[in-house]
Amino acid sequence: DAGVIQSPRHEVTEMGQEVTLRCKPISGHDYLFWYRQTMMRGLELLIYFNNNVPIDDSGMPEDRFSAKMPNASFSTLKIQPSEPRDSAVYFCASSFVYDTRNTGELFFGEGSRLTVL
Amino acid sequence: DAKTTQPPSMDCAEGRAANLPCNHSTISGNEYVYWYRQIHSQGPQYIIHGLKNNETNEMASLIITEDRKSSTLILPHATLRDTAVYYCIVRVANAGGTSYGKLTFGQGTILTVHP
Repeated sequence: DAGVIQSPRHEVTEMGQEVTLRCKPISGHDYLFWYRQTMMRGLELLIYFNNNVPIDDSGMPEDRFSAKMPNASFSTLKIQPSEPRDSAVYFCASSFVYDTRNTGELFFGEGSRLTVL
Repeated sequence: DAKTTQPPSMDCAEGRAANLPCNHSTISGNEYVYWYRQIHSQGPQYIIHGLKNNETNEMASLIITEDRKSSTLILPHATLRDTAVYYCIVRVANAGGTSYGKLTFGQGTILTVHP
């Protein structure tokens, strides 16, 4: 398997523009997580889904952020309008509850580095 | 989820054992101890987890105290490639591990392995 695939890897945009980050989880995984990482705040959980349904979005910073998972193989995180303070690395991760080792291990993508000018 | 406390940084000589401590004094009975690490600019990577027994895998060993209020991750023979941020996390799981709570990362320990 190719692992969790995120796109774009890097994005530079101007304040006020819409940003869409994409994630393809590992096939067969039933959990999907979106994290944001900055130097100041570390790794923050934004939202996670189970079987395409949002379970906990308490980490989503404000209404400018939205996340969707229209099917088991695709999720988006959208920021509209973007602001400089949204600059961060955004990680997507997936997991499978019924893995043979019973770990609930999260597999992370390589991240999308967002810079908002 | 219970909070964890880790030293902000540690050093280790290459080839020696690295022992990374973690305090989780408010851990609940249904919470597991997980360790992840993050090598610079990569996504975090699972290392090991345990409930109350000591665990070992190909990457590391996990020692959990009898009262479960603290644990130690042991990298038996550290290499330069083990330089990373190590996160200790406690996470809810039901019996049999058929459902899991969210994974919340703290600040972690920056481990630097020296030649």
